[in-house]
Amino acid sequence: EVRLVESGGGLVKPGGSRRLTCAASGFTLSTYSINWVRQAPGKGLEWVSLISSTSRYIYYADSVKGRFTISRDNAKNSVYLEMNSLRAEDTAVYYCARDNPIAAPADYWGQGTLVTVSS
Amino acid sequence: AIQMTQSPSSLSASVGDRVTITCRASQGIRNDLNWYQQKPGKAPKLLIYAASNLQSGVPSRFSGSGSGTDFTLTISSLQPEDFATYYCLQDNNYPRTFGGGTKVELK
Repeated sequence: EVRLVESGGGLVKPGGSRRLTCAASGFTLSTYSINWVRQAPGKGLEWVSLISSTSRYIYYADSVKGRFTISRDNAKNSVYLEMNSLRAEDTAVYYCARDNPIAAPADYWGQGTLVTVSS
Repeated sequence: AIQMTQSPSSLSASVGDRVTITCRASQGIRNDLNWYQQKPGKAPKLLIYAASNLQSGVPSRFSGSGSGTDFTLTISSLQPEDFATYYCLQDNNYPRTFGGGTKVELK
């Protein structure tokens, strides 16, 4: 069974940092690109970042560029999102989602982890 | 970044109704358009990829069409489990962008 499990969420002060982890199981992570997508409370979905299977290609939304860093460790079946200089507007549920290399982006999603940025 | 304009933002419908949701891209994106369903407190679920391809396990009452800038998600006969919020996502280029969402509510 394909599973993605996010962890690392919690309460962070403005200007602080947080590292999220997406742990994969049930498939060979090293052959898939992984996205991070977030959803602020009561709002729509916002695509945040993607890392390709070998880390060769990395992309960010303009809203997080220069503050967030995506990385992966295929040996540990994990993808990470390092978030720095956090702002109140970064408060959201953060989901990781797998790209199917055949055609479908974000075909499997984790359950999400909530990051709250507040003093 | 490509802007995705989804309409309507909400709609009220009854079980058995035919429902249509549209998504318009600010520039041509070929058929690189995908549709997701999200229920409260849950992760999104992929319904349609590459504009018109039904994801495995998704009921055939869901269909997608379009190319270029204009796309449509149709639910042929709305079922009770279809009341949810629907989003489009373009994966033509980066940054990927979602539409604003369409909430389908019970009339």
